[in-house]
Amino acid sequence: EAAVTQSPRNKVAVTGGKVTLSCNQTNNHNNMYWYRQDTGHGLRLIHYSYGAGSTEKGDIPDGYKASRPSQENFSLILELATPSQTSVYFCASGAWGEQYFGPGTRLTVL
Amino acid sequence: GQQVQQSPASLVLQEGENAELQCNFSTSLNSMQWFYQRPGGSLVSLFYNPSGTKQSGRLTSTTVIKERRSSLHISSSQTTDSGTYLCAMDNSAGNKLTFGIGTRVLVRP
Repeated sequence: EAAVTQSPRNKVAVTGGKVTLSCNQTNNHNNMYWYRQDTGHGLRLIHYSYGAGSTEKGDIPDGYKASRPSQENFSLILELATPSQTSVYFCASGAWGEQYFGPGTRLTVL
Repeated sequence: GQQVQQSPASLVLQEGENAELQCNFSTSLNSMQWFYQRPGGSLVSLFYNPSGTKQSGRLTSTTVIKERRSSLHISSSQTTDSGTYLCAMDNSAGNKLTFGIGTRVLVRP
């Protein structure tokens, strides 16, 4: 039973459009994270959350917003998508330093 | 500079060979984690290893916090071990991970 799920798994968006990536976890972890993975850069942290109602900026937050409406759900929002945001996005949940990842969302911005 | 350095960048093995992957950290750390990733796949946690040695099947992870390094040993490699191995460190109170770029492993039959 997958503990961290993401939707959609694939998304094609147009420049300037709004994109919302969703993540759900059944681990009952307080912490949740959004990363992007690009060749040559590895995984980089965009936003994270310590619990419902909280969001924090990671290392590369520009152009992204996050929302944590509940313990289980954490969304990443691109208000005005740009081609530079084409990437694979991973959500993770974690506690005490250990993290568990979702399957990823491949986003292409044309 | 890069906080997490992984070496080698890539590795080709003949099935049955052993391998050692290295991870070095430029800052002090609270804990670290090893992940495995297939091309196009997600990250699978192999070890959460703040310090010392942990073993799981043919994989052994050793972390020496004082020396800011961790290693992942693969024994008797199999073709199914092919993929990318990522290490990540947590050096903050916020339980945030900083990743290395990874070691790409190819095991030939």
